[in-house]
Amino acid sequence: ELKVEQNPLFLSMQEGKNYTIYCNYSTTSDRLYWYRQDPGKSLESLFVLLSNGAVKQEGRLMASLDTKARLSTLHITAAVHDLSATYFCAVAGKADKLIFGTGTRLQVFP
Amino acid sequence: EPEVTQTPSHQVTQMGQEVILRCVPISNHLYFYWYRQILGQKVEFLVSFYNNEISEKSEIFDDQFSVERPDGSNFTLKIRSTKLEDSAMYFCASSWDRGAEKLFFGSGTQLSVL
Repeated sequence: ELKVEQNPLFLSMQEGKNYTIYCNYSTTSDRLYWYRQDPGKSLESLFVLLSNGAVKQEGRLMASLDTKARLSTLHITAAVHDLSATYFCAVAGKADKLIFGTGTRLQVFP
Repeated sequence: EPEVTQTPSHQVTQMGQEVILRCVPISNHLYFYWYRQILGQKVEFLVSFYNNEISEKSEIFDDQFSVERPDGSNFTLKIRSTKLEDSAMYFCASSWDRGAEKLFFGSGTQLSVL
């Protein structure tokens, strides 16, 4: 059974600092997603990673995938307040169902 | 950008009542999904649907749940007899193909069972 673990659960960061969110998964998959969710809102797609060594960047966020280690990271560079949200990784399982991690609630303060 | 539309945005119901949550997927999409998120928790898969039948369902999706695509555009989730623990945000999602790079999520229906 595919399991997805994400850490940390909570992250309080000062503006301008860097940090990394980790996503581990238990069985082989061909796709890993990162989503952002603002309170009470839907899921906004950030990245999809398809192959070992894949790296994608958008603004201050960079995601990478190591399929051998079954690990993805979401790196935040020089955090700003607008990045405050909950971030989920999700791994594609059987019949394309997505198994989500527990989420990382990020709060960026001045 | 095209959107997945869900109605209603909020639904309040009494325990034991039936509810139908509605979704209009993106028009050329063929694969449809329901997920739910209990307040403060992670998003959980409920069911996937393709070619007018269920492809996969989770343990949560028991006999009280059903899905259908009655008219080729709407995709509905029915809960026959709601329980308190069904209170959650329900998200519909669609994609144009299996293994598609992007899965489009709707804005969700917040279901509150009293």
